[in-house]
Formats: sequence, C-alpha cells, structure tokens
Amino acid sequence: QTVVTQEPSFSVSPGGTVTFTCALTSGSVSTSNRPSWFQQTPGQPPRTLIYSTRTRSSGVPDRFSGNILGNRAALTITGAQTEDECDYYCLLYVGPGNWVFGGGTRLTVL
Amino acid sequence: QVQLVESGGGLVQPGGSLRLSCRASGFSLYSHGMYWVRQAPGKGLEWVSHLSSDGRKEDHGISVKGRFTVSKDISKNTFYLQMNGLRGEDTAVYYCAKDGGDYFMDIWGQGTTVTVSS
Repeated sequence: QTVVTQEPSFSVSPGGTVTFTCALTSGSVSTSNRPSWFQQTPGQPPRTLIYSTRTRSSGVPDRFSGNILGNRAALTITGAQTEDECDYYCLLYVGPGNWVFGGGTRLTVL
Repeated sequence: QVQLVESGGGLVQPGGSLRLSCRASGFSLYSHGMYWVRQAPGKGLEWVSHLSSDGRKEDHGISVKGRFTVSKDISKNTFYLQMNGLRGEDTAVYYCAKDGGDYFMDIWGQGTTVTVSS
C-alpha cells in the first residue's frame, strides 16, 4: 500500500518563510503524480491551494507556491501570516485510479 | 455560484448501509468527475472514491473497495455514495468534491457526518 508522508508539524514566525514537503515511501514524487495541496482550519472543509504541482487555485494569495524539490513535492509560504495557522495536506495521484493524501502538517505561526 | 451540499449522514449500526447524497449547483455533473473524501475524528483526509465524468469508471480506496459504490443522477444533478457493510472505522465526516480536471479536487462541500456504532 502506497504511503505519502509529510512533516507532522512546523513553526514559523509571522513574515517568515516555511516549506512543507510531501514524499512517497516507495519512490520519487514527480509531476506525473499531479501533486496538489489543501488547507484546512478546524471544523471547516478543505480549501484547494495548489494543483498540478504549482498552479494556484482561484483566489489563493501568491505567497503560496508549489514545486518539486528533489524527490518530493513542496509547498512554500513566503511571508507567513497568522491566518495561515492551520493544517496542510498534500495529495498525490499514484494511479491507476488511486489517490493518496499525506498525513498532514500542522503549521503554527508565532 | 458553484456549490456542493451533502446529506444523508447519521448513526448506523455495524454491518448496516447508508447512502450519502451530494447535490451540485452552478455546474453540471454531466461534464465533471466527482470525489468522496472522508476524515475520521481527529485524523487526516482519506480519499474514498472517484467517479469519472462519463460515469463509466469508478475507483475506490482499498479500505472501502467491495463495500462502497458511487453513482450520479444527471437529472437531479446529484452524486451518491452507497455504503454497505459499514464498520466502526468508517466513522468520519464525508466530503464530496468536484473533480478539477487534473487529478485533484477543486470545490468541496461542507461535509456530512457518519457514525457507525451499536
């Protein structure tokens, strides 16, 4: 069974930069996995931030960016704000007809 | 405005069945694939099922394969998740989501809660 791993938690100061990663235990992440990223605050549904590795969803601030770093997908927040404090999930298409979420990263902004 | 509204959640005994509905507005299910994603209490997101835009291909996560099926009614613009043989580990908030067209979810519903307990 394919497992996708993310850092459990991260802390960043307001205005700082943080990069989360999303890795496959069974190999490298590439654009073929169509990495996407979601943000979730407690009690709310997820919000789509990034899809197709680096495309920002409509209305998402440009401080959020996606990329491939080495053998992992990555989400970077440049100039973190207090409202960015929540959970972040990556999603990989590991095909055929199979999608796997990472375990999520909890971001603290303080 | 594109919107998804789930319904049908509730309390069900182990081994029981439940059908969740997801009513779409602002777009047609005729043209789009759809997903179900769930989140157990205090846990992360888990992909459950996907139905292709033409309704001919459905895929399911390993934990629900053989127990859950998906379908859609174009006339009602509603997407369904039929859950059979429910287990305690199926307890979760279930979200439906619109397929963004490149293996991701772009629009999410508010979710409906399923509790499996005796």
